[in-house]
Amino acid sequence: RKEVEQDPGPFNVPEGATVAFNCTYSNSASQSFFWYRQDCRKEPKLLMSVYSSGNEDGRFTAQLNRASQYISLLIRDSKLSDSATYLCVVISPPGRRALTFGSGTRLQVQP
Amino acid sequence: ETGVTQSPTHLIKTRGQQVTLRCSSQSGHNTVSWYQQALGQGPQFIFQYYREEENGRGNFPPRFSGLQFPNYSSELNVNALELDDSALYLCASSLAGDLYGYTFGSGTRLTVV
Repeated sequence: RKEVEQDPGPFNVPEGATVAFNCTYSNSASQSFFWYRQDCRKEPKLLMSVYSSGNEDGRFTAQLNRASQYISLLIRDSKLSDSATYLCVVISPPGRRALTFGSGTRLQVQP
Repeated sequence: ETGVTQSPTHLIKTRGQQVTLRCSSQSGHNTVSWYQQALGQGPQFIFQYYREEENGRGNFPPRFSGLQFPNYSSELNVNALELDDSALYLCASSLAGDLYGYTFGSGTRLTVV
């Protein structure tokens, strides 16, 4: 079983739609959680951190459920520019030095 | 402030050959990590260097090795290349202990034929 699992998609949504991505992680000792965005053939870039209390950045809302070992990302009012692959990322002990990535969920926003 | 730069951007090698990939870290960063991203997969951690020493390693064989230099730049060396080594190799720099400040380079796309 992979340490971080995501639905690969693709999610095809119209502009203006709300879309939600989910991610599960297997290591209950995981301590830090992130969503990264990766455009086609480019490097990953940090989108936002994820906290148990939930956090919001504009149209993006991230949530962590430690009991269920589940992370979510909600995108409201989708834009064409949101089309990308969204990577769920976890940092786990020991060492807490490596980012563990899921395989990514591809989003295609259509006009 | 300069970002992370990697060279070369693309490379084609033959199975069994050796390859060296290079990474210049972002100004102010002292830690470099290397990741391998196969097509359709997320990046996989290879190893991390801090103060010129390897201080973390993923599930990669010893033929994957690296160096960090006093200016914090780094090299990834892969010996005895296999077809499955074909991937995008990403370098990320950060400040030790800063989990939120990883900056990735645009990667080196390696094709092994």
